[in-house]
Amino acid sequence: NAGVTQTPKFRVLKTGQSMTLLCAQDMNHEYMYWYRQDPGMGLRLIHYSVGEGTTAKGEVPDGYNVSRLKKQNFLLGLESAAPSQTSVYFCASRERKYEKLFFGSGTQLSVL
Amino acid sequence: KQEVTQIPAALSVPEGENLVLNCSFTDSAIYNLQWFRQDPGKGLTSLLLIQSSQREQTSGRLNASLDKSSGRSTLYIAASQPGDSATYLCALIYNQGGKLIFGQGTELSVKP
Repeated sequence: NAGVTQTPKFRVLKTGQSMTLLCAQDMNHEYMYWYRQDPGMGLRLIHYSVGEGTTAKGEVPDGYNVSRLKKQNFLLGLESAAPSQTSVYFCASRERKYEKLFFGSGTQLSVL
Repeated sequence: KQEVTQIPAALSVPEGENLVLNCSFTDSAIYNLQWFRQDPGKGLTSLLLIQSSQREQTSGRLNASLDKSSGRSTLYIAASQPGDSATYLCALIYNQGGKLIFGQGTELSVKP
């Protein structure tokens, strides 16, 4: 099994550009999450989904949108990128609410 | 407020030493606790998951303990090796809707 796959792995954007990060999991997990990781800030939850067609805001949702049209995919969108969104983004999934969490390998995003 | 603290932030030990990493939490209403390893530039890899009803879990040279009454979990690494060098994070999963709270991690360096 591939587990949790994130694309792309690296991306450089100019301020104001838009992009979409894709997360795909092949474990039939219900719950999916998007985190950002910044030095000194730890992991912060952006948005999450508890099932196909559902999304909810996390700790730092401003400037991001998400969609979960298919159970296996969770998309994170930046409509107008800002330098403050330079970070490493991680997707994670788990089968049920209290189960083990699995992470993707991350996307390094730089906004100039 | 639900807080998770990992002290120290960084630790350097010579190869072969046994060591303990700490994870403290303020709210003991947890469902389970998960320990992760993160290598530089990589995602998080799950090491151990301890249910709130358990006292410890073991996997190879790793042993994780949980004491809810004192709000503490420890990750014991026996006979450390340079390959154990990484950042170790604990994450608490709370009864409240499966909410996840991450610690900031301990960066471990094992010197040959």
